[in-house]
Amino acid sequence: SAVISQKPSRDICQRGTSLTIQCQVDSQVTMMFWYRQQPGQSLTLIATANQGSEATYESGFVIDKFPISRPNLTFSTLTVSNMSPEDSSIYLCSVGLAGGLTSNEQFFGPGTRLTVL
Amino acid sequence: GQSLEQPSEVTAVEGAIVQINCTYQTSGFYGLSWYQQHDGGAPTFLSYNALDGLEETGRFSSFLSRSDSYGYLLLQELQMKDSASYFCAVREDRDDKIIFGKGTRLHILP
Repeated sequence: SAVISQKPSRDICQRGTSLTIQCQVDSQVTMMFWYRQQPGQSLTLIATANQGSEATYESGFVIDKFPISRPNLTFSTLTVSNMSPEDSSIYLCSVGLAGGLTSNEQFFGPGTRLTVL
Repeated sequence: GQSLEQPSEVTAVEGAIVQINCTYQTSGFYGLSWYQQHDGGAPTFLSYNALDGLEETGRFSSFLSRSDSYGYLLLQELQMKDSASYFCAVREDRDDKIIFGKGTRLHILP
């Protein structure tokens, strides 16, 4: 299993500012994932963060808006840049412990609840 | 494109059995996962099916038919604590990346 912590747990920010969310894992993992979830909605994958390479972004998400760092195998950050009220959401990081083809369990952090005014 | 369809809401009685269906259309398919999420909590893993058939874990079972692009989650002996949202999720390739369905809100009546 994996234990994941996120900072901050919540924040209220002003329009036009940026917020960096940290994700720390208690074990070394190759891939970390960043999701966004509106209350009562599904999880939308923003990007995959691999250590030692550029993050891979999903359709509709760009690096200028959501820059990601992955300095080592236990840590990643997601920055929400030039925020607008539409960025208000819960941001979650997750990791998968490589289980091969027969297992695909992902562990999620507790999330960061972001409100943009 | 990708699509995962599941009912938005299901209501069942405590002690009963409920089935939550999921149909998918994705560019690739390696397996189907199910996650549970309580209000205010993070998603937690329930099951993963890579091959056709039924996987059982305690009160929860999950089924997959790759030829029908269909799976379901079966919850038996429902308890009030099972009230939560349930998401199916597809693994499209060898990476651990998964794509989530819209989720099914399960309401349990006493």
